[in-house]
Amino acid sequence: DAGVTQSPTHLIKTRGQQVTLRCSPKSGHDTVSWYQQALGQGPQFIFQYYEEEERQRGNFPDRFSGHQFPNYSSELNVNALLLGDSALYLCASSLVVGASEAFFGQGTRLTVV
Amino acid sequence: GESVGLHLPTLSVQEGDNSIINCAYSNSASDYFIWYKQESGKGPQFIIDIRSNMDKRQGQRVTVLLNKTVKHLSLQIAATQPGDSAVYFCAETPFSGGYNKLIFGAGTRLAVHP
Repeated sequence: DAGVTQSPTHLIKTRGQQVTLRCSPKSGHDTVSWYQQALGQGPQFIFQYYEEEERQRGNFPDRFSGHQFPNYSSELNVNALLLGDSALYLCASSLVVGASEAFFGQGTRLTVV
Repeated sequence: GESVGLHLPTLSVQEGDNSIINCAYSNSASDYFIWYKQESGKGPQFIIDIRSNMDKRQGQRVTVLLNKTVKHLSLQIAATQPGDSAVYFCAETPFSGGYNKLIFGAGTRLAVHP
């Protein structure tokens, strides 16, 4: 059983560019959450998707957007990249009902230069 | 890979000793608390969880204690092993179910020495 998979694992972008990160949830999971983890800090909640809709959002600007597909996979899009967007982006999947344990992927390391 | 916790507080222990990692949480309305382990270059890995109606829960070599009076959470690791070396995060969430978000603490690096 594959766990949460994210792609790509590493990415280098230039300021002002746009980036799309992808996540496939653990088999059977229907909810996907995205987190940003700066170096030396704990993950910060960006937003959560369920039934192809954004259900909750953290304190992130509109440059951060997402999407969930019918197969529950998800994308995180960041527009107009800033140097401060450099971080590890983590995807977590869970079930909306029942067990609430969230499983994390290995993350995508984004570097903005 | 890059280190997750370059500037985090560090707990150094000898192999075989017991480790206690502490965490203060912020929201008295939080219903569910989780400890995660994060190794360098990897995502957080679930260790153990506890609901707000409990004060102690035990797993394999790990115990989580919850003190709601002072909003304090601790993780005890028995007979610490080199493989336990990692950064440990506590997380809280308002609901034990869906539509929740995890609020992570700052993290503690555990260094196990032979």
